[in-house]
Amino acid sequence: GQNIDQPTEMTATEGAIVQINCTYQTSGFNGLFWYQQHAGEAPTFLSYNVLDGLEEKGRFSSFLSRSKGYSYLLLKELQMKDSASYLCAVRDNYGQNFVFGPGTRLSVLP
Amino acid sequence: DTGVSQNPRHKITKRGQNVTFRCDPISEHNRLYWYRQTLGQGPEFLTYFQNEAQLEKSRLLSDRFSAERPKGSFSTLEIQRTEQGDSAMYLCASSLVEVGSPLHFGNGTRLTVT
Repeated sequence: GQNIDQPTEMTATEGAIVQINCTYQTSGFNGLFWYQQHAGEAPTFLSYNVLDGLEEKGRFSSFLSRSKGYSYLLLKELQMKDSASYLCAVRDNYGQNFVFGPGTRLSVLP
Repeated sequence: DTGVSQNPRHKITKRGQNVTFRCDPISEHNRLYWYRQTLGQGPEFLTYFQNEAQLEKSRLLSDRFSAERPKGSFSTLEIQRTEQGDSAMYLCASSLVEVGSPLHFGNGTRLTVT
C-alpha cells in the first residue's frame, strides 16, 4: 500500500528556520517531490530528490534518506509569503503515479 | 508555454446532474494526470494518461467517473449522476516522461454539488 505522513500544522516566526518532515511507505520509489500550495491556488513544484542527501535551492533545501523512508524540507529566513501548505509526493516506479501526503500547513508569524 | 489550463474554474450543479471538465496540458508534455483535492487534504490520484492511452485508474474512480484524452492533447473528466460527496477541487497536471520531471498543475475546477 501507499502511506505518506506529514505533520498537519506548523507555526514559525519570520526570519527563522523551519523543518517539515515527511515519512513514506510506498510500493515503489522513483523520486520524492515537494510542492508549495497557497490557499485557493494550485500546487507549485519546489524540489526533487531521488538519491540520498541534501539538495539546496536558495532558501529551500530538501533531504532524502531512502533506507529510512524519510525526507524533510528546510525553509530558511522565513518570510510571511511562505505561509502555505507544503505537500510531499512520492513517484512510484510501477504506474509512474505521484502519491501525495496530506500536506503541512505552515503559518509564519511576524 | 502558457501552462496547464482548466475550464471551468467553478461549477455548481444539482445532485444527479452530469458535469464535464476540460484540461489543456503544456503542449510538449505527454503525460496528463487528474487529481481530486478536498479542503485540508493532499491531492488524491484519480487517473493518468500517456499520450492518448489511459494507463492507470484509482479505485476511487467509480463507474460514474470517466476520463478521455482522445488525441493525446486535451483531456476531459466527466462525472455522471453527481453526489454531494463529489464536491471538491479537481486538479489536472501534466509532465514529461523523464525521471525527475515534476507535475505542473492547472488552477483546478472547483465543483459544488447542491
